[in-house]
Amino acid sequence: QKEVEQDPGPLSVPEGAIVSLNCTYSNSAFQYFMWYRQYSRKGPELLMYTYSSGNKEDGRFTAQVDKSSKYISLFIRDSQPSDSATYLCLGDNAGKSTFGDGTTLTVKP
Amino acid sequence: NAGVTQTPKFQVLKTGQSMTLQCAQDMNHNSMYWYRQDPGMGLRLIYYSASEGTTDKGEVPNGYNVSRLNKREFSLRLESAAPSQTSVYFCASRKGSAGTGELFFGEGSRLTVL
Repeated sequence: QKEVEQDPGPLSVPEGAIVSLNCTYSNSAFQYFMWYRQYSRKGPELLMYTYSSGNKEDGRFTAQVDKSSKYISLFIRDSQPSDSATYLCLGDNAGKSTFGDGTTLTVKP
Repeated sequence: NAGVTQTPKFQVLKTGQSMTLQCAQDMNHNSMYWYRQDPGMGLRLIYYSASEGTTDKGEVPNGYNVSRLNKREFSLRLESAAPSQTSVYFCASRKGSAGTGELFFGEGSRLTVL
């Protein structure tokens, strides 16, 4: 079983839609969780970084962590065509970072 | 400020050939990592170096060797390339030795093994 499972997608939504991206994890030792965004033919870039259970908001993006159910989510409000990318969730335990397989999102104008 | 720089960006090899991917970071980070990314899959850790002078295996180390040349540079070597090593390779670094904090990635090196 993979330590981080991510909803595979691909996902296609109209501009302005609310997007929900989801991952589950099995490693209870994970202390930190991150969401990375990767544009085509580019390296991943950090989008959100969370430590504890609860919500963290940054502009149109909200990261949610539920450690009791081992579930992490990323919500994008008012999605834009520029949000079209692959989104990768990550669980981190003392330097060993495990990524989900990624969800490719397309936001259509 | 270059961040994480990888060379080469593209490479085509024949089966059995060897090559080294180079990675350098200018952020004075302690930890450095090599990942590979295959279509439809996330990033899988090959090797990492928590600090200068140390290296450890990740999830998929077979067929690879690494060298942490100094604090800035971390190279990945394929001694005898195989078609299964066709992939996009990403180098990353982070500030802490204990592994906390943001991972900064390079732009990737696309390797094809024929």
